[in-house]
Amino acid sequence: DVKVTQSSRYLVKRTGEKVFLECVQDMDHENMFWYRQDPGLGLRLIYFSYDVKMKEKGDIPEGYSVSREKKERFSLILESASTNQTSMYLCASSPSGGRNQPQHFGDGTRLSIL
Amino acid sequence: AQSVTQLDSQVPVFEEAPVELRCNYSSSVSVYLFWYVQYPNQGLQLLLKYLSGSTLVKGINGFEAEFNKSQTSFHLRKPSVHISDTAEYFCAVSDHQAGTALIFGKGTTLSVSS
Repeated sequence: DVKVTQSSRYLVKRTGEKVFLECVQDMDHENMFWYRQDPGLGLRLIYFSYDVKMKEKGDIPEGYSVSREKKERFSLILESASTNQTSMYLCASSPSGGRNQPQHFGDGTRLSIL
Repeated sequence: AQSVTQLDSQVPVFEEAPVELRCNYSSSVSVYLFWYVQYPNQGLQLLLKYLSGSTLVKGINGFEAEFNKSQTSFHLRKPSVHISDTAEYFCAVSDHQAGTALIFGKGTTLSVSS
């Protein structure tokens, strides 16, 4: 089975801090994604990546950046955390092969910014 | 751009009753469709997917969904639900303009009571 591991289940940070959320997948998938999930809004795509050192903006990239130095790892960075970034963050991966490939999700990181 | 509408935000049902969770998508072009389930404090798990072929798709845990191109719908059904089916359900469509990224609906919370 595909395993997508997010480094923290719960995280509490302060306003203005630089925050790193880490995600690792063990199935050699080319594609990786970061979403945020908020009640009543579903999942919204922040950034995604098709390959090492490659990134594409999703629907809500403002206030975030990403890093993909190795194929298995995709990091989400909050440059200067703000309270409106309090949310559940979900990482996902999928193999290459087109739009018919389902995504595999980690268990999420619940981030609170105080 | 693609969009996905889940018509009910909450669906309460009694155990052993049938259930239908409704999903409509916006695009008239070829699409791939997915249903995911999220149990409390977990990530998303793939229930089923429609790629092509038969319009009736069977998934895990006794769920099935029917693709209706003329109605642009992909409703999820189960003939008899269990308490353990209590979860949030997300419909998703692949967005051909964003590579392999998925567009998610806002989710439907299924609450099964005895």
